[in-house]
Amino acid sequence: QVQLQESGPGMVKPSETLSLTCTVSGDSDRSDSDYWTWIRQSAEKGLEWIGYIDYRGRTNYKSSLKSRVTISADTSKNQFSLGLTSVTAADTAVYYCAIERRLPFSRYFFYVLDVWGQGTTVTVSS
Amino acid sequence: DIQMTQSPSSLSASVGDRVSITCRASEGIRNDLGWYQQKPGQAPKRLIYGAAILQSGVPSRFSGSGYGTEFTLTISSLQPEDFATYYCLQHNGYPRTFGQGTKVEIK
Repeated sequence: QVQLQESGPGMVKPSETLSLTCTVSGDSDRSDSDYWTWIRQSAEKGLEWIGYIDYRGRTNYKSSLKSRVTISADTSKNQFSLGLTSVTAADTAVYYCAIERRLPFSRYFFYVLDVWGQGTTVTVSS
Repeated sequence: DIQMTQSPSSLSASVGDRVSITCRASEGIRNDLGWYQQKPGQAPKRLIYGAAILQSGVPSRFSGSGYGTEFTLTISSLQPEDFATYYCLQHNGYPRTFGQGTKVEIK
């Protein structure tokens, strides 16, 4: 059973860079249809998909965050990371890492957010 | 981006009630939709995927339906452990987008 654990500072100053790491444990065989994903949740915006990094290292980011976001992976450590630059109070949220996967069903397959971390709260404040 | 409009934003119901939650997509998403349940302090948990496929281990009182732009999550007989917030999530295009959530409260 795969488990995810987020880690990183709980508080970041405005204009600085938020850095979080997600450690994947319990399953050393990453599938080529796994998308290592970051999601955040705030009272103002609800659940917001940030982006993913895939098996080949390709990334896909939400366009409104694209200029500030970097998702990277260290497969030797089974970790992936989120960097968000120039943060403001609007970036205060619970940040989740998750794995999106394709599940087969009959002749089809469906994408699902299969595994989630427990979430880590990040507050942007001076 | 595909917008997901979920309604109602909250509802009050009693144990044993039948409740339904709706999600509308701003464009057709086939059946690339999941429903997730979230309890306070926890990450969301998948209930349904492919609009109507019940995740293994999820009670059969949960069901999903819909295709294209309109989708429904139904709980046939609300149980005490079902009081939570429910979200739809479209997996048809990027960025993935969630509904705003429906909080199911005890009447």
